[in-house]
Amino acid sequence: NAGVTQTPKFRVLKTGQSMTLLCAQDMNHEYMYWYRQDPGMGLRLIHYSVGEGTTAKGEVPDGYNVSRLKKQNFLLGLESAAPSQTSVYFCASSYSTKGYTFGSGTRLTVV
Amino acid sequence: EDQVTQSPEALRLQEGESSSLNCSYTVSGLRGLFWYRQDPGKGPEFLFTLYSAGEEKEKERLKATLTKKESFLHITAPKPEDSATYLCAVRTTDSWGKLQFGAGTQVVVTP
Repeated sequence: NAGVTQTPKFRVLKTGQSMTLLCAQDMNHEYMYWYRQDPGMGLRLIHYSVGEGTTAKGEVPDGYNVSRLKKQNFLLGLESAAPSQTSVYFCASSYSTKGYTFGSGTRLTVV
Repeated sequence: EDQVTQSPEALRLQEGESSSLNCSYTVSGLRGLFWYRQDPGKGPEFLFTLYSAGEEKEKERLKATLTKKESFLHITAPKPEDSATYLCAVRTTDSWGKLQFGAGTQVVVTP
């Protein structure tokens, strides 16, 4: 089925470890986004991309980096994980002004 | 600063008991208001987009309306399967396709 695929679905990290979250979409969407979702705070934008090779900061970018080397993939990296980065991470993609299609999320715990 | 506020935070309904969810917004220029449904452990699922005051959209037991300052999601004669968290989001004129989300309303419908 067409859509947005996120890997991994779950991960536990120790403070200071690094990891990369992968997002892949097969809808040929130009725009891709990474959000984090925390209880009571809704979805907050971390980074986004308006096309292959481009990235930009969102509302809460500190501690994260991203890359969009291929149109279909958007990677989110944590260089040195902190407990404050414990969250559920969602990737989404969209075509111009249309609504987002979301992935199923990655639940990350940093201990 | 753009703001999106949803109320109530939580809503408990008896099956068949109609109600409304509110999404109020303060933005510089609105280019779309979006409603999503999110089930536990899953990513948000797109429901509606509204673009101008007075517009209405319907899907099964859900009806979304839009004014210049707020949107309502009306749930008519809800069923237990309508239990979910409902999110609203706004896209503004200078947002490059980015959506700003409210914190959501958790709806529980009991038989």
